[in-house]
Amino acid sequence: QKEVEQNSGPLSVPEGAIASLNCTYSDRGSQSFFWYRQYSGKSPELIMFIYSNGDKEDGRFTAQLNKASQYVSLLIRDSQPSDSATYLCAVNRGSNYKLTFGKGTLLTVNP
Amino acid sequence: KAGVTQTPRYLIKTRGQQVTLSCSPISGHRSVSWYQQTPGQGLQFLFEYFSETQRNKGNFPGRFSGRQFSNSRSEMNVSTLELGDSALYLCASSPGLAGGLSSYNEQFFGPGTRLTVL
Repeated sequence: QKEVEQNSGPLSVPEGAIASLNCTYSDRGSQSFFWYRQYSGKSPELIMFIYSNGDKEDGRFTAQLNKASQYVSLLIRDSQPSDSATYLCAVNRGSNYKLTFGKGTLLTVNP
Repeated sequence: KAGVTQTPRYLIKTRGQQVTLSCSPISGHRSVSWYQQTPGQGLQFLFEYFSETQRNKGNFPGRFSGRQFSNSRSEMNVSTLELGDSALYLCASSPGLAGGLSSYNEQFFGPGTRLTVL
């Protein structure tokens, strides 16, 4: 079982729609969870982090965490073509200073 | 505040050579982590340094090594390069303070060094 799993996609949504990106993790000791966006040829850019169960909103982005189900998601409202990128989920045990990444989901927002 | 800088941005080496990559973290950040990104394996953790000490290491062979200086700048070295070492090497900067679930462990990535081994 992979430590962090994401659907590789591509996930294609029309402009203005809600994009839903999902991530599951296997280590129950994971304590903090991060979403990064990576444009082609660029380095990952931190979008959000979450460590409590429930929802965390920041602008058009909402991160959702369910530790019992070992599941974290990212919702992007009012998707824009500029949101087209690979979205990486990363988890951290909190004490080992290491991020474990999923392989990412490629999102395409069609105008 | 200036971001994470990495030098060089691109490198071409041949098998058997060694290479040194450099990373300067965000001012005030004391933790530097290194990752290797390849299309097949994705982003994989190499090691993390804080106050000149390696705190964690990933599952890479001993050919991969690193160090951190007193000004928090870090270098990583790969000796006896292999074709499979061709990758994007990313450095990430974090405040790096110990313990807890606060935002201290947010990691901010530099632009990366693209290494090609021929």
